[in-house]
Amino acid sequence: AQSVAQPEDQVNVAEGNPLTVKCTYSVSGNPYLFWYVQYPNRGLQFLLKYITGDNLVKGSYGFEAEFNKSQTSFHLKKPSALVSDSALYFCAVRDILSSASKIIFGSGTRLSIRP
Amino acid sequence: DGGITQSPKYLFRKEGQNVTLSCEQNLNHDAMYWYRQDPGQGLRLIYYSQIVNDFQKGDIAEGYSVSREKKESFPLTVTSAQKNPTAFYLCASSMELAAGDTQYFGPGTRLTVL
Repeated sequence: AQSVAQPEDQVNVAEGNPLTVKCTYSVSGNPYLFWYVQYPNRGLQFLLKYITGDNLVKGSYGFEAEFNKSQTSFHLKKPSALVSDSALYFCAVRDILSSASKIIFGSGTRLSIRP
Repeated sequence: DGGITQSPKYLFRKEGQNVTLSCEQNLNHDAMYWYRQDPGQGLRLIYYSQIVNDFQKGDIAEGYSVSREKKESFPLTVTSAQKNPTAFYLCASSMELAAGDTQYFGPGTRLTVL
C-alpha cells in the first residue's frame, strides 16, 4: 500500500531564511514523488518531481527537493524564502508500477512567510 | 492553471438537485481526473478517464457520475445521492496514465449546498 505523510500542518519562516517542508512516503516498490503548491481558491500548481537519477531535483520558483531513499523522504527546500511563497504545499507519491490514477496526496502543509 | 479550465468557479446547490461541473483541457492529454478537496485533507480521487468513452471509479465515486464523449472534456455531475457534496472540486489531466506522468490541475470549482 502507498502512503505519504506531511508531519507539519504549518511551517512559519521569516523572509530571507531557508525553508523546509517535510514529506515522508511509503511504497512497496520504487516511488515517483511530486510537489505541488496551492494558492487560496486556486488549483494545484506543479513544482517538481523525482522520477529517477539525481537525488536533488530542482523545480519552479527556486524550489528544490532531495530524494532520500534510506529515510523515505522527499523534503521541499528553498534557500531564501519570499513572502509570496506563502501557500499550501502538497507532497504526492506513486509507485512506479502503478498507473497515474494511483497517486496519493499528503494532507498538505501551510507555509507562512513573515516579512 | 493554464490549459485546463473549470466552470463555474462558485456553484450553489439546493438539497435534492443534481449539478454538473465543467472541465475542459486544450493540452491534448489523454487522461483526465476529478478530485475532491476538503479542509485539512489531501485530494481524493472521484473518477478518472484514460481515453474517450472510458472512465473508472476512484476512491469516492458514490454519488457522482462522469462522461467522456470528447477528448478535451470531462464533466462531473454531483447527484442528489451524494450526502455531503460541499467541497472544492479539482479537475486534472495528464498525457497518459503512466506512473511518471505529471498531472496538471484546473483552477477548481467550489460547490456549496444550501
